[in-house]
Amino acid sequence: DIQMTQSPSSLPASLGERVTISCRASQGISNNLNWYQQKPDGTIKPLIYYTSNLQSGVPSRFSGSGSGTDYSLTISSLEPEDFAMYYCQQDASFPLTFGSGTKLEIK
Amino acid sequence: EVQLVESGGGLVQPGRSLKLSCAASGFTFSDYNMAWVRQAPTKGLEWVASISYGGSNTHYGDSVKGRFTISRDNAKSTLYLQMDSLRSEDTATYYCARHWITPSLYFDYWGQGVMVTVSS
Repeated sequence: DIQMTQSPSSLPASLGERVTISCRASQGISNNLNWYQQKPDGTIKPLIYYTSNLQSGVPSRFSGSGSGTDYSLTISSLEPEDFAMYYCQQDASFPLTFGSGTKLEIK
Repeated sequence: EVQLVESGGGLVQPGRSLKLSCAASGFTFSDYNMAWVRQAPTKGLEWVASISYGGSNTHYGDSVKGRFTISRDNAKSTLYLQMDSLRSEDTATYYCARHWITPSLYFDYWGQGVMVTVSS
């Protein structure tokens, strides 16, 4: 099974700040890495697929990058609605696995 | 508009069974692979199972293999999760999710989730 290690688990940040969340796979996943946002009410929103492709409707302040085993999600300038949980997920092979999540909170 | 609406959750005793449903609309259900993902209270997301668009291929997470069965009725645009031999650790919110176009296993739409509580 491919293990996904996500960091940090908690990220205090301010409005307008640039932040980066990291995700490391236990083996190479050939860019098969996706990102999701979860709000406190449980709503899950897809953000990025295949490392760097923005889901339709997602603001351009979100971006993804990476290769091999190391990937990252960057938000260029935080807006109030961005404070939420973020999860990475690999879809290179079954079983599909998620990172443990990053809570982006207001500093 | 794509919609995924889960139902069938509730309180169930350990060892008993429960069947979840997910009613899909706004897209051609039979064209897409589908999945269940769960989240235990205060925990992260855990993939549970996936099924191919025709229903012939299924995959399960190790924690539910042999106890849960994913299925679908394309005529009714509905996804199911039959959960047998339930354990306390199965307590979670269960989300129905659509996989993006084959062969991608990215989840491009999610339901709102349904809560399952396994307790005596």
